[in-house]
Amino acid sequence: GENVEQHPSTLSVQEGDSAVIKCTYSDSASNYFPWYKQELGKGSQLIIDIRSNVGEKKDQRIAVTLNKTAKHFSLHITETQPEDSAVYFCAASRGGGNKLTFGTGTQLKVEL
Amino acid sequence: KAGVTQTPRYLIKTRGQQVTLSCSPISGHRSVSWYQQTPGQGLQFLFEYFSETQRNKGNFPGRFSGRQFSNSRSEMNVSTLELGDSALYLCASQTSGRGNEQFFGPGTRLTVL
Repeated sequence: GENVEQHPSTLSVQEGDSAVIKCTYSDSASNYFPWYKQELGKGSQLIIDIRSNVGEKKDQRIAVTLNKTAKHFSLHITETQPEDSAVYFCAASRGGGNKLTFGTGTQLKVEL
Repeated sequence: KAGVTQTPRYLIKTRGQQVTLSCSPISGHRSVSWYQQTPGQGLQFLFEYFSETQRNKGNFPGRFSGRQFSNSRSEMNVSTLELGDSALYLCASQTSGRGNEQFFGPGTRLTVL
C-alpha cells in the first residue's frame, strides 16, 4: 500500500520567515496530494492540494510543489504569521478511491 | 452550509465495552470517510461509505465497523474496546466524485480506561 513520509516533525521559524515541509510517497499511482492544517478544537482544514498533472500551485502565501519523478511534494509558507502555528499533514491518494494516506504531521511554531 | 458534525465530542469507556460514534456530513455530500488519529500511528484510514455501501476499507480488525444511512449520516462502531483504541476519530465528507476535497469534522476523542 501507499506510504507517506513527512519531515520535519517539528519546525520553528521566526515571524516573517518561510517554512518548508516535505513529503515523499511510495505509490507511483497516487495522483492527488492535499495538505491539511490541524488546530486544537478546530479540526483539520484543507489548505491547498495538487494533482499529478501540475507541478506547482499557489494560493497567496501558500504553495505546493510536486515532483512526480522523485515522488515527493512540498508545502511552502512564506511570510509566516503566528496564526500559521499548527500541525500540518500531507496526504496522498489514488484517483480511484477516496482513501487518504497521511504523513505523520509537522508541528509548526511561528515565533514572534 | 453547516460543516461536518460529529457526536459525541468526548467519550470515556472501559475495556470490553462497545462504542458508537456518529458523523453528519455536509449537506449534499454522499461520501463519508473515517480516520483514527493517535500520537504513535498518526492518521489512519478506517473506511469510506458512499450511498450506504462501504467503498473502501483500511487495515483495521473486524471490531471496527461502520454504516451509512439514506440521509448520508454515518456511524462507526467499535466492539470489545481495547486500551489501544484510545484515539481521536475523525470523519470526513465529500461530494460523490472521487479524489475531491475531503472536509473533516472536529473529531470524537475516545478514551478507553
